[in-house]
Amino acid sequence: AQKITQTQPGMFVQEKEAVTLDCTYDTSDPSYGLFWYKQPSSGEMIFLIYQGSYDQQNATEGRYSLNFQKARKSANLVISASQLGDSAMYFCAMREGRVQGAQKLVFGQGTRLTINP
Amino acid sequence: EPEVTQTPSHQVTQMGQEVILRCVPISNHLYFYWYRQILGQKVEFLVSFYNNEISEKSEIFDDQFSVERPDGSNFTLKIRSTKLEDSAMYFCASTGGKGNTEAFFGQGTRLTVV
Repeated sequence: AQKITQTQPGMFVQEKEAVTLDCTYDTSDPSYGLFWYKQPSSGEMIFLIYQGSYDQQNATEGRYSLNFQKARKSANLVISASQLGDSAMYFCAMREGRVQGAQKLVFGQGTRLTINP
Repeated sequence: EPEVTQTPSHQVTQMGQEVILRCVPISNHLYFYWYRQILGQKVEFLVSFYNNEISEKSEIFDDQFSVERPDGSNFTLKIRSTKLEDSAMYFCASTGGKGNTEAFFGQGTRLTVV
């Protein structure tokens, strides 16, 4: 079974609109962390935001916020006021287990976001 | 902002040759990783490394692969005898800062085996 599922292979959004990228996860471990990464066409993986399973509030980093719904096992990324430079591949990833120690990340298939002018 | 640095950015090698991919993790991080991304596919975990030894490895990380931290700063991935299917983007990552809630990746090394 997939641990991380990103159901949107591609999304097209008008510039300045908000966009939500979906991510659902599957784990039986009560302690886990969820990450979002941006991969532009140049190929690097840029860390965007992190949400811990015990965090009481949804994570926010500038224009990025994470809509964490624990009961639904979803961790959607919301980008407000989208910009042309947001066009990229976006990956959701999960770390299972306690926050200390080496943490293997399991990635979803990604969503390719295209921002139209 | 601190960053993970990988060299080279692109390497082309003949099938059967040995390659060494190099990484300089973030200096105060304790845990180091290699991941692989075959073109158009998702990122896959290869190996994690802590306290000078492998802490976990995937089924992809067979006897052809090895990792080493030869000095206090570099972290290397060696592929002994490359195969065509080893062609991929290889990412180094490190964790350990801010309560271990950050996982930073390098810019990747694109390996092409011909």
